[in-house]
Amino acid sequence: QVQLQESGPGLVKPSETLALTCTVSGGSISSNYWSWIRQPPGKGLEWIGIIYYSGSTYYNPSLRSRVTTSVDTSKNQFSLKLRSVTAADTAMYYCARDGYGGDAGGFDPWGQGILVTVSS
Amino acid sequence: EIVLTQSPATLSLSPGERATLSCRASQSVSTYLAWYQQKPGQAPRLLIYDASNRATGIPARFSGSGSGTDFTLTISSLEPEDFAVYYCQQRTNWPPRVTFGQGTRLEIK
Repeated sequence: QVQLQESGPGLVKPSETLALTCTVSGGSISSNYWSWIRQPPGKGLEWIGIIYYSGSTYYNPSLRSRVTTSVDTSKNQFSLKLRSVTAADTAMYYCARDGYGGDAGGFDPWGQGILVTVSS
Repeated sequence: EIVLTQSPATLSLSPGERATLSCRASQSVSTYLAWYQQKPGQAPRLLIYDASNRATGIPARFSGSGSGTDFTLTISSLEPEDFAVYYCQQRTNWPPRVTFGQGTRLEIK
């Protein structure tokens, strides 16, 4: 079965770039599409963006100016970069397989999440 | 942006009771709606997709209904492990956009 694992630094300084990687195991990254989702401590879920195995990307309009995602099919990984971070970007960051169940589908499975704190 | 409003914010019930959670969209999302369960310290788990289809391994006591702007997640008889936070989520496919509701906390009465 497909499993996802986020990796990256847990602490990022304000104004710097947050960079995370999601490694997919148990399945090919080329047969699905993938999303990043975050959750500030004690708050709800926010979709960051989607990346297709072709490399096409679409982002939440509220984050679009600061976000870049990419896919590395040779490593079965996809990545997130969020520039110019502030304390408001402190959150648990999840990667997830998108489109479970087709066009009207949901996110499944999810990675366990990685807590990223923005602080000097 | 399509806004999802969940109600109630908190629902207090006892094991064995029936739970009814609501999600209302600011405009029609057809059946492009999913439900998730999240327990403390865990990632969300997909329960329902396409408004009424249970994901693999989800018990039959969980059911989803609705279309357009009004959706319901029903848990027919609450088990102790069902007390958690529940989120609804919608998607539009072109351009791809996803939003989540603010969540309903289901707590033990």
